[in-house]
Amino acid sequence: AQTVTQSQPEMSVQEAETVTLSCTYDTSENNYYLFWYKQPPSRQMILVIRQEAYKQQNATENRFSVNFQKAAKSFSLKISDSQLGDTAMYFCAFMKLGSYIPTFGRGTSLIVHP
Amino acid sequence: EAGVAQSPRYKIIEKRQSVAFWCNPISGHATLYWYQQILGQGPKLLIQFQNNGVVDDSQLPKDRFSAERLKGVDSTLKIQPAKLEDSAVYLCASSSLVNTGELFFGEGSRLTVL
Repeated sequence: AQTVTQSQPEMSVQEAETVTLSCTYDTSENNYYLFWYKQPPSRQMILVIRQEAYKQQNATENRFSVNFQKAAKSFSLKISDSQLGDTAMYFCAFMKLGSYIPTFGRGTSLIVHP
Repeated sequence: EAGVAQSPRYKIIEKRQSVAFWCNPISGHATLYWYQQILGQGPKLLIQFQNNGVVDDSQLPKDRFSAERLKGVDSTLKIQPAKLEDSAVYLCASSSLVNTGELFFGEGSRLTVL
């Protein structure tokens, strides 16, 4: 079974600064997807960024980028130029290719301070 | 495009009572998921449907939880009888297989069992 570990229960950052959220996972699979989801307070969870394991290039989406280290089974999320609207729970998730069932970590609560 | 709809948003019941949650996925999404999210933890899959068939219900406590998706569209999750440890947010999500794993979540139904 796959496990996803987010070792930072809480993080905080000043507006306009950069923050990195950590995620490690354990799997024997070679083909899989990794995701970061964002869950704002009292709002639905949405996808932030996705990485296919077969791609060596790290995914980026505007201010969000990942550092994917396949050998180390590490998948961190970097948020640049943090905004107040980035305040949310962030969940790292793993999905084996073809399973369509993501496994989530426990989440990291990010607070962006003005 | 309308998102995933869930109701009720909030429910408070006494232990041993029953409760039902309803979910209407995004139109055209064949796959529907129910997740349980206990405070401070990541979402845990309860059941996954593909159209009106169950794909995975290995983590569904079948002595008290049941779910159905009779016409392959909307779904109902029932708990009977409820226990204190069932207090959680119940998240419904849907996906289209062409989206390579991205799940679209509803706002969730928060259950408090007293």
